[in-house]
Amino acid sequence: DAMVIQNPRYQVTQFGKPVTLSCSQTLNHNVMYWYQQKSSQAPKLLFHYYDKDFNNEADTPDNFQSRRPNTSFCFLDIRSPGLGDAAMYLCATSPDRGGNQPQHFGDGTRLSIL
Amino acid sequence: TQLLEQSPQFLSIQEGENLTVYCNSSSVFSSLQWYRQEPGEGPVLLVTVVTGGEVKKLKRLTFQFGDARKDSSLHITAAQPGDTGLYLCAGRANTGNQFYFGTGTSLTVIP
Repeated sequence: DAMVIQNPRYQVTQFGKPVTLSCSQTLNHNVMYWYQQKSSQAPKLLFHYYDKDFNNEADTPDNFQSRRPNTSFCFLDIRSPGLGDAAMYLCATSPDRGGNQPQHFGDGTRLSIL
Repeated sequence: TQLLEQSPQFLSIQEGENLTVYCNSSSVFSSLQWYRQEPGEGPVLLVTVVTGGEVKKLKRLTFQFGDARKDSSLHITAAQPGDTGLYLCAGRANTGNQFYFGTGTSLTVIP
């Protein structure tokens, strides 16, 4: 059974039109992450929530925002998508941030920009 | 700055061949994880190595953590087409709390 669920699997939006990607988890994990992954590259961390505490990566553009209304759900908002934002967006969770905690990934949302 | 460098970046081999993927850093890691990602899916955890010098085996896959906990390797014996995918090492450095992914190795096994 899927434990980290991302919706939709494929999203198409227009240049400059706001878009929201969603992630839900059934693992009751404290930490939720959002990554951007471009073709054949490693995932790039955008930000993560440790419980309600938001942690932004220094090089994440302001165009990317996130919300975590409760433990189970986390959203990625792209306010004005540009062509360079077309990518796979991955959500992941982990029980905690420390040490050996592995991350559990969803299957991603592939975002296309017209 | 890329903390975890993987080599090779791309690898295409025939079915039945052996291969090794390397994950190197100048920083010490408390642990390293290896993930495999198939096209259109999220990364899936293969193994976590914790102790310097540790060797773990997962069927035809052998993972090793360097003695100094700065590097790791993944060796695949008799590769199968089902091994095709993007292999990623990842972990947290001893300094700070940030989780890093390696640069990735894209493996193609040709039947």
